[in-house]
Amino acid sequence: SAVISQKPSRDICQRGTSLTIQCQVDSQVTMMFWYRQQPGQSLTLIATANQGSEATYESGFVIDKFPISRPNLTFSTLTVSNMSPEDSSIYLCSVEAGVVRETQYFGPGTRLLVL
Amino acid sequence: DAKTTQPTSMDCAEGRAANLPCNHSTISGNEYVYWYRQIHSQGPQYIIHGLKNNETNEMASLIITEDRKSSTLILPHATLRDTAVYYCIVSRLFGGYNKLIFGAGTRLAVHP
Repeated sequence: SAVISQKPSRDICQRGTSLTIQCQVDSQVTMMFWYRQQPGQSLTLIATANQGSEATYESGFVIDKFPISRPNLTFSTLTVSNMSPEDSSIYLCSVEAGVVRETQYFGPGTRLLVL
Repeated sequence: DAKTTQPTSMDCAEGRAANLPCNHSTISGNEYVYWYRQIHSQGPQYIIHGLKNNETNEMASLIITEDRKSSTLILPHATLRDTAVYYCIVSRLFGGYNKLIFGAGTRLAVHP
């Protein structure tokens, strides 16, 4: 498995501003993922971040709104840009780790409230 | 990607076995069944996964039917700490990684 931390754990932001969320893992991993969980909903994949290449975004998510960096094999950031109240969600990162079959392990999440 | 169908909610008495069903009738031959759970206000926790054989680990057992169209997650002795939303996910390798599509899951309530 892998131990994943996220910063900040929670934040309250004003609309129109941006927030950068950090994800740190305790071992080198190739694939990192970012998810969004809106209030009362399940998780939705935002994008996949492979070190050394541009992030791959899922349908409905664009780089201008959710820019992602992946500078090395243990770290990634997700920025939520020009926020609106609809961006209030839990944002989670995950990594793939495993021996026989890659399994995703999740961080604790960042709880974002946009006023 | 194959979809899954799970009951919206289930109850279980503490100390009893919790059997959580999942239907994945459109699963294809190279797709795995994964189970995760999400305890309130935490990130999802990996439980177990399997392809066609039954699997067991320290947390749970996974029983997959012979035709692979359904599976059951078994928590052998449920405790209050097992109260969570349980997600059954059918996953396949996609562009070199394991793509997880989360459904609504089953909300399991374990009561004394």
